[in-house]
Amino acid sequence: DVKVTQSSRYLVKRTGEKVFLECVQDMDHENMFWYRQDPGLGLRLIYFSYDVKMKEKGDIPEGYSVSREKKERFSLILESASTNQTSMYLCASSLSGAYNQPQHFGDGTRLSIL
Amino acid sequence: GESVGLHLPTLSVQEGDNSIINCAYSNSASDYFIWYKQESGKGPQFIIDIRSNMDKRQGQRVTVLLNKTVKHLSLQIAATQPGDSAVYFCAENNTNAGKSTFGDGTTLTVKP
Repeated sequence: DVKVTQSSRYLVKRTGEKVFLECVQDMDHENMFWYRQDPGLGLRLIYFSYDVKMKEKGDIPEGYSVSREKKERFSLILESASTNQTSMYLCASSLSGAYNQPQHFGDGTRLSIL
Repeated sequence: GESVGLHLPTLSVQEGDNSIINCAYSNSASDYFIWYKQESGKGPQFIIDIRSNMDKRQGQRVTVLLNKTVKHLSLQIAATQPGDSAVYFCAENNTNAGKSTFGDGTTLTVKP
């Protein structure tokens, strides 16, 4: 079974801090994604990556950056955390190929910015 | 004539009944569709998928129907059980874009 592991289930940070959310997958997937999930707004894509050192903006990249130095690890960075970034953050991975494949999700990090 | 179900944010069914969860997708170029289940405190979990060259696909107790004419997707769960209680999301993929767009979820509650 594919396992996507997010480093923290719960995280509390202060406004202005630089925050790192880590995600590791163990199935050699090429594609990795970061979403945030908010009540009434569903899942919104922040950034994604098709390969090492490669990144693409999603629908709501403002205030975030990402890093993918190794294939199995995809990090989400909040450069200067703000209260409107309080949310559930979900990481996912999927196989690349000629045909789309389903995404496999971690269990999320609930981030609170005070 | 054929009817297309509305998307409902919540659905409550009796244990043992069949459930139907509906989803309207937006992009006529989408060619791959997925249903996910999200239980409380967990990330979404893949249930079943279907490609645009099919209109029906069956899994274990679940069936996905695709109507490309009206851009509608449905998930049917047979003999619904309490463990099926969760939020269900549909997602659409456009091969050229390579990423998923998620629909609004439906919260399914199964009453014993």
